[in-house]
Amino acid sequence: QINLVQSGAEVKKPGSSVRVSCKVSGGIFNSYTISWLRQAPGQGLEWMGRAIPMLRISNYAQKFQGRVTITADESTATVYLDLSSLRSDDTAMYYCARDQWDSRSIWFDPWGQGTLVTVSS
Amino acid sequence: QSALTQPASVSGSPGQSITISCTGASSDVGSDKLVSWYQHSPGNSPTLIISEGTKRPSGVSDRFSGSTSGNTASLTISGLQADDEAVYYCSSHAGYETVLFGGGTKLTVL
Repeated sequence: QINLVQSGAEVKKPGSSVRVSCKVSGGIFNSYTISWLRQAPGQGLEWMGRAIPMLRISNYAQKFQGRVTITADESTATVYLDLSSLRSDDTAMYYCARDQWDSRSIWFDPWGQGTLVTVSS
Repeated sequence: QSALTQPASVSGSPGQSITISCTGASSDVGSDKLVSWYQHSPGNSPTLIISEGTKRPSGVSDRFSGSTSGNTASLTISGLQADDEAVYYCSSHAGYETVLFGGGTKLTVL
């Protein structure tokens, strides 16, 4: 049974960067694809990108390309989200989740507990 | 790529059934893509309740069911209970790097 545990809350200044981690336990790390999603206050869910450890590649939503990097460390079974050039509208709860995808569908299960990132001067 | 369209809110009394719609476009739900549904209660992480349009993960009550007709997917909750009160999201994809979510529907149990 896969379990995802995220790092703690962060407070950052505008223009800085943040790293959020997602420790994966249970099962075989390289067999999973891990996505990052976020939810800004009062807003809905938004997919940011995913890491595919087995292939050592990552995919990103067009909106975040150039500003986000998702990496996977097999030695520690941890996936990282790095977001740069932070703005106030990056203030959100960030979630990692295992994603399963095929040509017709995608679903996210389970989810990490969430990491609140606050961007404020 | 536009987000999926959900009603902002629905309500029902205990024991009743409600249905939440999720409308997409010809490139996603309308092109035979299957929707997943999530329940998001305050203070918790979202949880998967329906995958691949109609499948319930282990442990999810059979009071939750999913269906699709044309470019609209639907989530039906029967026998409403107080702890069903939450925000419900639908999701689909329109390609490997395009994941769509609906805006969320707040369910109020009266």
